[in-house]
Amino acid sequence: GNSVTQMEGPVTLSEEAFLTINCTYTATGYPSLFWYVQYPGEGLQLLLKATKADDKGSNKGFEATYRKETTSFHLEKGSVQVSDSAVYFCALSGGGGADGLTFGKGTHLIIQP
Amino acid sequence: GAVVSQHPSWVICKSGTSVKIECRSLDFQATTMFWYRQFPKQSLMLMATSNEGSKATYEQGVEKDKFLINHASLTLSTLTVTSAHPEDSSFYICSAPTQGETQYFGPGTRLLVL
Repeated sequence: GNSVTQMEGPVTLSEEAFLTINCTYTATGYPSLFWYVQYPGEGLQLLLKATKADDKGSNKGFEATYRKETTSFHLEKGSVQVSDSAVYFCALSGGGGADGLTFGKGTHLIIQP
Repeated sequence: GAVVSQHPSWVICKSGTSVKIECRSLDFQATTMFWYRQFPKQSLMLMATSNEGSKATYEQGVEKDKFLINHASLTLSTLTVTSAHPEDSSFYICSAPTQGETQYFGPGTRLLVL
């Protein structure tokens, strides 16, 4: 079956540091890949997505590239802010968005001023 | 963007009672909705796929008689936890995909069974 593995936190960084959150997946076929963010007290929000190999998703300074050869979708941001503190979930869908999502365990990111 | 709401946002009930949770797509229609369960500091686990006008599809290990799902209209799905027990206490989240297939999530419902 499908599975997603991401680094577990908490990850603590200083403001303006470079961020990488690793995510690898196992899936049959050609899944779509997603990063969702959950801010304290709020619901999940789509951060970015990629639907085919070599696609790069980007939003709010975050980027992730769909790497089929390494089955990875690592999240990066060049300079983090305190407001980026949240829990980040990597997820995949086997059928675009029409299927339920398989999530990683989530990475709690803490940015210190 | 699209908005998905859930009601109630939290509920406390006695063991043995049933609890209904509603999931609504506010500005779009959804023939399919999904129900997830999230344990503290853990990931979301897909429980079932709710299909408008037909039976829900349950993931392996999820008791369909325990978690009743009804998708009565294109904007409403309900999850009923029947004869709830303390081990059913959890955070229940629904999602709905738009035509562009991006899934939008509700804010979640926290259930505590005493």
